[in-house]
Amino acid sequence: QLQLQESGPGLVKPSETLSLTCFVSGGSINSRLHYWSWVRQPPGKGLEWLGSIFSGGNSFYNPSLKTRVTMSVDTSKNQFFLNLTSVTAADTAIYYCARQRREPHFDFWGQGTLVTVSS
Amino acid sequence: SYGLTQEPSVSVSPGQTVTITCSGDALPMQNAYWYQQRPGQAPVLVIYRDTERPSGIPERFSGSSSGTTVTLTISGVQAEDEADYYCQSADSSGVYVVFGGGTKVTVL
Repeated sequence: QLQLQESGPGLVKPSETLSLTCFVSGGSINSRLHYWSWVRQPPGKGLEWLGSIFSGGNSFYNPSLKTRVTMSVDTSKNQFFLNLTSVTAADTAIYYCARQRREPHFDFWGQGTLVTVSS
Repeated sequence: SYGLTQEPSVSVSPGQTVTITCSGDALPMQNAYWYQQRPGQAPVLVIYRDTERPSGIPERFSGSSSGTTVTLTISGVQAEDEADYYCQSADSSGVYVVFGGGTKVTVL
C-alpha cells in the first residue's frame, strides 16, 4: 500500500521560504502513470492545489502562486519537495502531498502537516 | 481564474438522500472527482470520472453529470457521512487542477 508522509518545519517566519519534503513508501516515485503533488488547506477553509511534478522533472504550478512555488523530485530517495518563497500569514495551512494520476485527480494522500507563518 | 462552485452547506436526516452540486464552465470537457474529508483527516476519493466509485466506497455514493454541473448523491445517509465534500476537476487545458469551495454535510 502506497504511503506518503510530509516533513518539515511547523513554523516559518514571514518573508522566508517554506520547505517541505514528502517521503513516498510502498511504491516507486519513478512512475510513468503518476504525478506528485502538493495541496494545501488554510485552517477552516477549502483545498487549494499548489502544483504537480513528474518524476522526470516536468512540473505544473497553480498560476496564482507560480512566481513563488518550486517543486523538485529525488528519485533515488523516493522523495519530492516543495519550496514556497516570501511567505505571509496567508500561507498558514495544512500542507498535503498526494499522488496524482494522469487524469488529474488524487488517489493517495499524506496525513498533512500544519505550517504556521508567524514571527 | 477558473473555479468550481458548490453550495456551502446542506443538512439531511439519517436515511434520507442528499445531493451536492458543483458547477464549472469546463465540466463538459473535463472529468470531475469528489472527495470526502472528515475533521482532522486527509481527503478521500469517493467518485472519479464523474460517475465511477473506487473500490471500498459504499454503493450509497453516486455521481452524475449534466452540462456544466456535476452532482454527488448520497442515498440512505448515515451519521458517518457527516463531512466536507469537495469536487475537483481541471481547467479547459486539462493541466491545471481546481477544487470547489467545499460543501459541509450535516447529518441531523
